[in-house]
Amino acid sequence: AQSVSQHNHHVILSEAASLELGCNYSYGGTVNLFWYVQYPGQHLQLLLKYFSGDPLVKGIKGFEAEFIKSKFSFNLRKPSVQWSDTAEYFCAVNPREGTGNQFYFGTGTSLTVIP
Amino acid sequence: ETGVTQSPTHLIKTRGQQVTLRCSSQSGHNTVSWYQQALGQGPQFIFQYYREEENGRGNFPPRFSGLQFPNYSSELNVNALELDDSALYLCASSLTAGLDGLEQYFGPGTRLTVT
Repeated sequence: AQSVSQHNHHVILSEAASLELGCNYSYGGTVNLFWYVQYPGQHLQLLLKYFSGDPLVKGIKGFEAEFIKSKFSFNLRKPSVQWSDTAEYFCAVNPREGTGNQFYFGTGTSLTVIP
Repeated sequence: ETGVTQSPTHLIKTRGQQVTLRCSSQSGHNTVSWYQQALGQGPQFIFQYYREEENGRGNFPPRFSGLQFPNYSSELNVNALELDDSALYLCASSLTAGLDGLEQYFGPGTRLTVT
């Protein structure tokens, strides 16, 4: 069965530190990839997405992610975090074939940024 | 532009009962997906509705059923509730099914507690 792994469950960083959150998936076919963010008390919202093309994608608020096909990974990065980045981050995979419109989410990474 | 809304916000039911959760999609969106998010987990795909027809289903038993109405709002029905059904139920709408509609807009969720 397809799965999405987010190895970092809780991350605590000081402001201005660099961030990298890992995401690995276990689907051998072509996939669409997403990172979602949920700020405290708010809805899940899209941070960035990858469908095809340049494997380095840029999203909102200075976030970027790199798709490495050989490693089945789509890690999220930000060079310098801010206190307002405190949130839950979810990686999601949408296999293009066979499973239709299913999305598989990871268990999430809780990020706390200390001022 | 009105976002995705869900009702009720919270609900407490007894094991064996039935429940109906409601979702109004974002204006102009004809596709609605439902997710179950257990505590500490990522959202799990239940099913998707596109133009009033089921358009993909996750690994959930038949007692989870849905409807989509001509105005593209949607209902999630769960029969014979079990304790493990306690979770946050998320609705997400998208512009359409297919690649153009992969950006999902999530509602705030309905918190269901089964006792």
